[in-house]
Amino acid sequence: SQQGEEDPQALSIQEGENATMNCSYKTSINNLQWYRQNSGRGLVHLILIRSNEREKHSGRLRVTLDTSKKSSSLLITASRAADTASYFCAEDSNYQLIWGAGTKLIIKP
Amino acid sequence: SQTIHQWPATLVQPVGSPLSLECTVEGTSNPNLYWYRQAAGRGLQLLFYSVGIGQISSEVPQNLSASRPQDRQFILSSKKLLLSDSGFYLCASGGRNTEAFFGQGTRLTVV
Repeated sequence: SQQGEEDPQALSIQEGENATMNCSYKTSINNLQWYRQNSGRGLVHLILIRSNEREKHSGRLRVTLDTSKKSSSLLITASRAADTASYFCAEDSNYQLIWGAGTKLIIKP
Repeated sequence: SQTIHQWPATLVQPVGSPLSLECTVEGTSNPNLYWYRQAAGRGLQLLFYSVGIGQISSEVPQNLSASRPQDRQFILSSKKLLLSDSGFYLCASGGRNTEAFFGQGTRLTVV
């Protein structure tokens, strides 16, 4: 399967700063989803944005989608130490989710 | 919401030994079920998916097999493990047009 790409691969910021992660995908999507994974654990769903949506918010999370550029971004505002995790985008196309390689986010106290 | 039970959390097995990882789902019926493998620092690679009892599709040729004997049970197996089967295995439910729910994963080390 074709894997999307995430940028950056790793991001280290100070607590309180905003973190932005980007995702590029390759297929025509029904929707794009963002997930979080704490080290050695399962993934937890954060936000699903449909192909006809351009922006979506959930608490401190903001996701944008640009279908013309086949890209999405995840913004975490006012970061906290507990936001330290890996973040993955997944493009929902046909019968499966196609996953990016993830961005490892470290929030320094 | 759904809960995915996956066990064991960690497993160390010798080369050539059999494998059986079990995943059960609560909170939904007739789910689409998935087995993924995740290499260290990487995204998820889809191994198998199932849309119903006895219906298994394989994404990549490999030493593993999957079965779905009941609606909410999904099993990943191998008759003889290879060193290259080591990895982090995740069971998931859903994901098409809706969020996917994941188990906590099994860290398999083949020695």
